[in-house]
Amino acid sequence: EPEVTQTPSHQVTQMGQEVILRCVPISNHLYFYWYRQILGQKVEFLVSFYNNEISEKSEIFDDQFSVERPDGSNFTLKIRSTKLEDSAMYFCASSREGLVDTQYFGPGTRLTVL
Amino acid sequence: AQSVTQPDIHITVSEGASLELRCNYSYGATPYLFWYVQSPGQGLQLLLKYFSGDTLVQGIKGFEAEFKRSQSSFNLRKPSVHWSDAAEYFCAVGSSGAGSYQLTFGKGTKLSVIP
Repeated sequence: EPEVTQTPSHQVTQMGQEVILRCVPISNHLYFYWYRQILGQKVEFLVSFYNNEISEKSEIFDDQFSVERPDGSNFTLKIRSTKLEDSAMYFCASSREGLVDTQYFGPGTRLTVL
Repeated sequence: AQSVTQPDIHITVSEGASLELRCNYSYGATPYLFWYVQSPGQGLQLLLKYFSGDTLVQGIKGFEAEFKRSQSSFNLRKPSVHWSDAAEYFCAVGSSGAGSYQLTFGKGTKLSVIP
């Protein structure tokens, strides 16, 4: 069964550094998402992406964040200058045309900012 | 704005016992409702979903959920719990149809299973 994959599984970085989290969505899916879960808190929506542009973003997704689909398979989340409060589990998800609401999630990348 | 409440943070049941996890939502129109499960170190796996029609929906791993509009609830049930069901369970609501596909999650309910 096809699944969403994410790399790395765990990323440790220093405050102020740039990080790129990578995701490979399910191959025939056209809608892509990033969510995050701060330890002990609920999963929160960050951004959705369709047709090579952001379709929706939350208040969390400020100018420090960006997303990109650099090729036909990868979907990335970049944080330009990490803060301590960016430490969280980041989940990528994807869904397909005609069944957009059914989102399939990857295993997550745990980001630790020191 | 839509929201989801899962009133139980942690539930412990004995293996073989029945299970009900509560979920209440707030949404202006007919919601799209989901239950996801997260095992330790794993991602979120979709258990089941409700879009419309029959209010009792069946999912994977023997789970089912019932949509009750009058109570704004979408409780998850399983008649006989297995030790492998120990995980965290998240209820979520989607707002498709309003041009938005983001999911809003509850805080989750952690399920422990006693052998």
